[in-house]
Amino acid sequence: QVQLVQSGAEVKKPGASVKVSCKASGYTFTTFDIVWVRQATGQGLEWMGWMQTDSGNAVYAQKFQGRVTLTRDTSINAVHMELSSLRPDDTALYFCARNGGGLGLWGQGTLVTV
Amino acid sequence: QSALTQPRSVSGSPGQSVTISCIGTSSDVGAYNFVSWYQIHPGKAPKVMIYDVTQRPSGVSDRFSGSKSGNTASLTVSGLQAEDEADYYCCSYAGGHTLIFGGGTQLTVL
Repeated sequence: QVQLVQSGAEVKKPGASVKVSCKASGYTFTTFDIVWVRQATGQGLEWMGWMQTDSGNAVYAQKFQGRVTLTRDTSINAVHMELSSLRPDDTALYFCARNGGGLGLWGQGTLVTV
Repeated sequence: QSALTQPRSVSGSPGQSVTISCIGTSSDVGAYNFVSWYQIHPGKAPKVMIYDVTQRPSGVSDRFSGSKSGNTASLTVSGLQAEDEADYYCCSYAGGHTLIFGGGTQLTVL
């Protein structure tokens, strides 16, 4: 089954870091890039970063530069998103999505509460 | 980089058509034919309705269509149904492996 499965909800204190995982299955992992998007309650979708799964290169939104790090682990077909120096306004639902046919496949979302 | 501009809300009666606009710049919407549209129902993950400006994924109703002119992309929903009531977001490629989303539009079926 083609899917992206994310790690579970997290509760963090301000200043801490959080690492959210996105595990792909059902397709060749390095064929499609993975992006991260978040949505705060009552707010819009916000692009955070882009992981090129074949090379491991990552590009980050200017807003999150210096605070977000994307890594990939090809041994388990996963992309990880780490956000540091957390603030209360980082409380949001974080999604990974596969770039193919638009963002055609999404994870179920991970709620991070700061 | 500012978000793409969408109307905050649109509405229509069942059976009618509505169009949601998405205004960008010559660096994003106007530069690439990589505009996509997402439908979000409360508590659910986004679902792609249109990609590459006009392409409709398998399984998406042909009542949904997309277009682009210059720096403005549009999503049209024809034959409105109650199930279409949701939030809709446009998204454009902006070069260098970057994306930009619109602010979102709430579609209400009256």
